Amino acid sequence: KQEVTQIPAALSVPEGENLVLNCSFTDSAIYNLQWFRQDPGKGLTSLLLIQSSQREQTSGRLNASLDKSSGRSTLYIAASQPGDSATYLCAVRNLDTGGFKTIFGAGTRLFVKA
Amino acid sequence: DVKVTQSSRYLVKRTGEKVFLECVQDMDHENMFWYRQDPGLGLRLIYFSYDVKMKEKGDIPEGYSVSREKKERFSLILESASTNQTSMYLCASSAPLHRDRGNQPQHFGDGTRLSIL
Repeated sequence: KQEVTQIPAALSVPEGENLVLNCSFTDSAIYNLQWFRQDPGKGLTSLLLIQSSQREQTSGRLNASLDKSSGRSTLYIAASQPGDSATYLCAVRNLDTGGFKTIFGAGTRLFVKA
Repeated sequence: DVKVTQSSRYLVKRTGEKVFLECVQDMDHENMFWYRQDPGLGLRLIYFSYDVKMKEKGDIPEGYSVSREKKERFSLILESASTNQTSMYLCASSAPLHRDRGNQPQHFGDGTRLSIL
């Protein structure tokens, strides 16, 4: 059974710092891994998607990597800003369910201090 | 940009009522999903649909049903609302996954915060 773990559960950093959020998963038979951002009381906003055949994806100050063999992904945020404060979720879509079931991590709550 | 629209941001209903949550997407996606999100439990899949009139149970379908009469609309129904169904409900959609390409992201609506009194 696929399990997705995110470490740390919460993180507080000063503005301008570069940071890394970690995601690990137990079953490497995945279609893709997706990183989301969630603001309080809101839905999920897709940040980056990495297909199982890819190693990394970049969008602006965000870079996500995937090491499928070790079951790990990282989300790197460069030059953090107070507006980056949110909960970040990673999610994997499993091959054995035809991709219909997505397993989410519990999230990392990020606070960037001005 | 994909737009997934949930009909209500906040909803308050009474125990025993039949509750309808509506979700509409504008990208002609085959796949649609309903999740609930609770503190400490994360997101859990209630039901999903891979085509019109097709539906499959997710991990926690008890007390819920769904309807997909049109491709763009996926409705979640609480047959007889109970207080333990107070939660944030999230709808999502995606295009079909191709076996060799996992390049279809899920897109989410803004969520409906449902309170059952």
